[in-house]
Amino acid sequence: ETGVTQSPTHLIKTRGQQVTLRCSSQSGHNTVSWYQQALGQGPQFIFQYYREEENGRGNFPPRFSGLQFPNYSSELNVNALELDDSALYLCASSWTSGRATDTQYFGPGTRLTVL
Amino acid sequence: AQSVTQLGSHVSVSEGALVLLRCNYSSSVPPYLFWYVQYPNQGLQLLLKYTSAATLVKGINGFEAEFKKSETSFHLTKPSAHMSDAAEYFCAVTLNQAGTALIFGKGTTLSVSS
Repeated sequence: ETGVTQSPTHLIKTRGQQVTLRCSSQSGHNTVSWYQQALGQGPQFIFQYYREEENGRGNFPPRFSGLQFPNYSSELNVNALELDDSALYLCASSWTSGRATDTQYFGPGTRLTVL
Repeated sequence: AQSVTQLGSHVSVSEGALVLLRCNYSSSVPPYLFWYVQYPNQGLQLLLKYTSAATLVKGINGFEAEFKKSETSFHLTKPSAHMSDAAEYFCAVTLNQAGTALIFGKGTTLSVSS
């Protein structure tokens, strides 16, 4: 069974740039959630994708957007990067059947640094 | 609104001592509760979860947690600490099932000394 994978591992960008982070869900999972973890803080929910549509969103501005592909992998896009976007970005996958969704399993994360 | 409070940002124990990490939650409906562990430069690993079945939940690596509705608590314990338990521990809550937004606490760093 393949776990959740994320790429790249580390990324350095400058203010105003755009970034794309990628996530491959665990085998058998159809739902992907993204979280932002600032240094010294707990993860914060950005949004969730199920059936290629956004299925819930946290308190993040529209410049944070995402996609889910038919193979259930996902991308997180952040436009107009700000210094405060520097964080560890975590992807979690889970299985949804009807209205029931199972436990979320996390990938290793992508460390984004904005200079 | 749901929230989680982890009491103590840093806990230090000796190897072989009891580990107790505290978590209190706030939820208007019966919650689902989780403990995750994060080792340096890694993602989150699920330790255990409470989903309204047994109130005493056993997880991996010898950890367990007890759901106490009257105290709105879900404290994590381990009878005997091991050096490899040193990590960051996060308590999280969610409303319906486990797949909607997880609300995390700020985390507790566990240090284990020999």
